Amino acid sequence: QQKVQQSPESLIVPEGAMTSLNCTFSDSASQYFAWYRQHSGKAPKALMSIFSNGEKEEGRFTIHLNKASLHFSLHIRDSQPSDSALYLCAVAASNTNKVVFGTGTRLQVLP
Amino acid sequence: GGIITQTPKFLIGQEGQKLTLKCQQNFNHDTMYWYRQDSGKGLRLIYYSITENDLQKGDLSEGYDASREKKSSFSLTVTSAQKNEMAVFLCASSIRQYQDTQYFGPGTRLLVL
Repeated sequence: QQKVQQSPESLIVPEGAMTSLNCTFSDSASQYFAWYRQHSGKAPKALMSIFSNGEKEEGRFTIHLNKASLHFSLHIRDSQPSDSALYLCAVAASNTNKVVFGTGTRLQVLP
Repeated sequence: GGIITQTPKFLIGQEGQKLTLKCQQNFNHDTMYWYRQDSGKGLRLIYYSITENDLQKGDLSEGYDASREKKSSFSLTVTSAQKNEMAVFLCASSIRQYQDTQYFGPGTRLLVL
């Protein structure tokens, strides 16, 4: 059974900082890795996804994936107060339609 | 674009009661999901369905039933509500499979007295 863990549990950073969020998974056959963001009282929304080892950048957001170490991360450049939210990582193996979400990291960006 | 609608927005039940939550999507997506979220934490998969009349159990299926009679709708039933239970139930849909982006509804907030 896939285990997905996120760290840290919560994080407070000043506006303009680089923020790094981590996600570890247990199934080495995992093929799909994604980050979702959920603002308070709202529905989660997809941010980015990646399928192969390496890095993918979209605007201020970058995903790093290292399948061998069972780890992927989200980096937010020039963090903004509007980035304050719960961040959820998601992982799935190719032989299942079951996407497993992580435990969440609550980010607060102070103006 | 499309939208996912969940009803009701708030649900207050009594211990032991059977409670039904409904979800509708107009994306014409094949796959639909039900998740439970406790106290602003991560999401736990209850049931998912890859097509009409298909049901697959998630990690948290005990105590729940689901129904997908139409492509556009997916219902979840709490078979016996637990006293003091409080959670948000989120419905989501995706085009087909695991690698497709999931689109979430606004959630149903459950409180059991």
